Amino acid sequence: QSVLTQPPSVSAAPGQKVTISCSGSSSNIGNNYVSWYQHLPGTAPKLLIYDDNKRPSGIPDRFSGSKSGTSATLGMTGLQTGDEADYYCGSWDDALLAVVFGGGTKLTVL
Amino acid sequence: EVQVLESGGGLVQPGESLRLSCVASGFTFSSYAMNWVRQAPGKGLEWVSVISKSGGATYYGDSVKGRFTISRDNSKSTVYLQMNSLRAEDTAVYYCAKEGYVLNDWYGKIDCWGQGTLVTVSS
Repeated sequence: QSVLTQPPSVSAAPGQKVTISCSGSSSNIGNNYVSWYQHLPGTAPKLLIYDDNKRPSGIPDRFSGSKSGTSATLGMTGLQTGDEADYYCGSWDDALLAVVFGGGTKLTVL
Repeated sequence: EVQVLESGGGLVQPGESLRLSCVASGFTFSSYAMNWVRQAPGKGLEWVSVISKSGGATYYGDSVKGRFTISRDNSKSTVYLQMNSLRAEDTAVYYCAKEGYVLNDWYGKIDCWGQGTLVTVSS
């Protein structure tokens, strides 16, 4: 049981947009920054979004992040087949004194 | 290029110990906290531990607390994970991962991940 809650899967057609939600609590998302990661099987995870809505250099603006209260959202537009991956949200938890992740969301681009 | 490279994984029996190492390059190692994150077969990412840039602060996930110890040697740009009393449920790919915050003792922005090293605990 993950501390942060994500939907197990989402899907959309190429070129469309999709959002992935991440729900937490006041001890994590509500009081700390959220990061989002992309993980393709057999590869190293990649940081997509940090500090709720900032993109590292090299990450296209098709990817966006937002946060409201104790929930965060990853948005992706102009979906490509190469975007098929598992996506994870993460944050620091002040009560657990731990980094916490969501259970991951599998994106299918069909 | 910023890189981290894990080593030390392998097959061990339940109750045995293993030490993972992670060598970093391409950045000022002593300026960043370092994490270990794992992924069990068919499961999601699970955070294991983080160590502050100086090594003075360490934090652990509940599932490994009391069994695993994280440490670092800034002179060697290396972070370690000593894993004792290993269990079957510790079987996973273990990733070494660099924190992205440099000015503050904050955690949760992991901006560089290694390729991972597989630890298998089985009799």
